[in-house]
Amino acid sequence: AQSVTQLDSHVSVSEGTPVLLRCNYSSSYSPSLFWYVQHPNKGLQLLLKYTSAATLVKGINGFEAEFKKSETSFHLTKPSAHMSDAAEYFCVVSDGGGSNYKLTFGKGTLLTVNP
Amino acid sequence: NAGVTQTPKFRILKIGQSMTLQCTQDMNHNYMYWYRQDPGMGLKLIYYSVGAGITDKGEVPNGYNVSRSTTEDFPLRLELAAPSQTSVYFCASIQDSSSYEQYFGPGTRLTVT
Repeated sequence: AQSVTQLDSHVSVSEGTPVLLRCNYSSSYSPSLFWYVQHPNKGLQLLLKYTSAATLVKGINGFEAEFKKSETSFHLTKPSAHMSDAAEYFCVVSDGGGSNYKLTFGKGTLLTVNP
Repeated sequence: NAGVTQTPKFRILKIGQSMTLQCTQDMNHNYMYWYRQDPGMGLKLIYYSVGAGITDKGEVPNGYNVSRSTTEDFPLRLELAAPSQTSVYFCASIQDSSSYEQYFGPGTRLTVT
């Protein structure tokens, strides 16, 4: 069974300061990990994905995440927050394949960016 | 290429009514999924399908039914609406299990009163 824990339900930062959104996962197999972003009243957009290649993954809009197997973590970072980053972020894991391919979502972290 | 489309965008139902949420994708994807999103709970998988004629239950299937008669369409049926089904519903699709990224529709906001 797979699971995801997002360690903070709400993170508040000032514009121009670093962003850190924390995620721990549990998986029976070699997982694929994702971060999705959801802006208010919008659908979900893929930020980045880890699929057993490089452990440091770069995504859109300056975000990146590092897969650390020893810590079972996949934290999302950005060096400098922008007002447009304010949204809800979901850490997602999949370790199934074939007909069992499913995603398990974390509960989300709401990012607030203050001017 | 419209991607994944969902209709309606909003709907209010009375308890006991039924309705179908429509989902269509034009990317020839084999796998399709229905999720519900409740505040502070992330997305929960309701049903999924790995191809036309094949469906399976997800984490929270009770009160819902699905069918997959074509590759493009994956409707979600609520037979007897209950207040607990008030939620935002998202449909998603993926080509196959090696493609990784799920493409999401814009969502349907359903209220049952």
